[in-house]
Amino acid sequence: EVQLVQSGGEVKKPGESLKISCKGFGYSFSDYWIGWVRQMPGKGLEYMGIIYPGDSDTRYSPSFEGQVTISADRSINTAYLQWSSLKASDTAMYYCTRSWEAGSWFDPWGQGTLVTVSS
Amino acid sequence: QPVLTQPPSASASLGASVTLTCTLSSGYSNYKVDWYQQRPGKGPRFVMRVGPGGIVGSKGDGIPDRFSVLGSGLSRYLTIKNIQEEDESDYHCGADHGSGSNFVWVFGGGTKLTVL
Repeated sequence: EVQLVQSGGEVKKPGESLKISCKGFGYSFSDYWIGWVRQMPGKGLEYMGIIYPGDSDTRYSPSFEGQVTISADRSINTAYLQWSSLKASDTAMYYCTRSWEAGSWFDPWGQGTLVTVSS
Repeated sequence: QPVLTQPPSASASLGASVTLTCTLSSGYSNYKVDWYQQRPGKGPRFVMRVGPGGIVGSKGDGIPDRFSVLGSGLSRYLTIKNIQEEDESDYHCGADHGSGSNFVWVFGGGTKLTVL
């Protein structure tokens, strides 16, 4: 079964750094894109960016360029989303999801990682 | 880039049918849209893709035959027949605005479906 399993929820203070993870199971991790999607409390989905673990080709949504860093380690089938300095407005659920090529749909999705930033 | 508009809420009685709508902004009538189901407290789940001519490709894993789609003009519809309690979810539509090898995804605001 193809699965994406994300790291657990985090509670951080403004200004702190954070790296959350997404591990793929049941498929060739290097051959599919991994995207990240934000869902703020009570809101819809927002596409953040995507990475191809095979060669680490990374694309960012203009709204998130410079705000986060997406990376991957194909040796351990894991993708990452990181912040260098969190803000309260980063409080949200973050999902990773898989896509096989540009223009294809996202399937499956991880269970989500809740990030809470509060002083 | 396109804007996808969804009504914030919908409701239907158990066993009835409901049609959810995702409306593309003007000029994007040839766009395909993906539907995702998000049950309470869960991650989204791919339902199916719809273009102007109807379904594109196949349904997501485990999506019952009760779910169908239709495309007309700027609207992309998801119809659920014989609604069950487990269909109570948020339904999101999304579209890729990218060209070539670029990814530029946009999503609607989602529709919360309540089963009465």
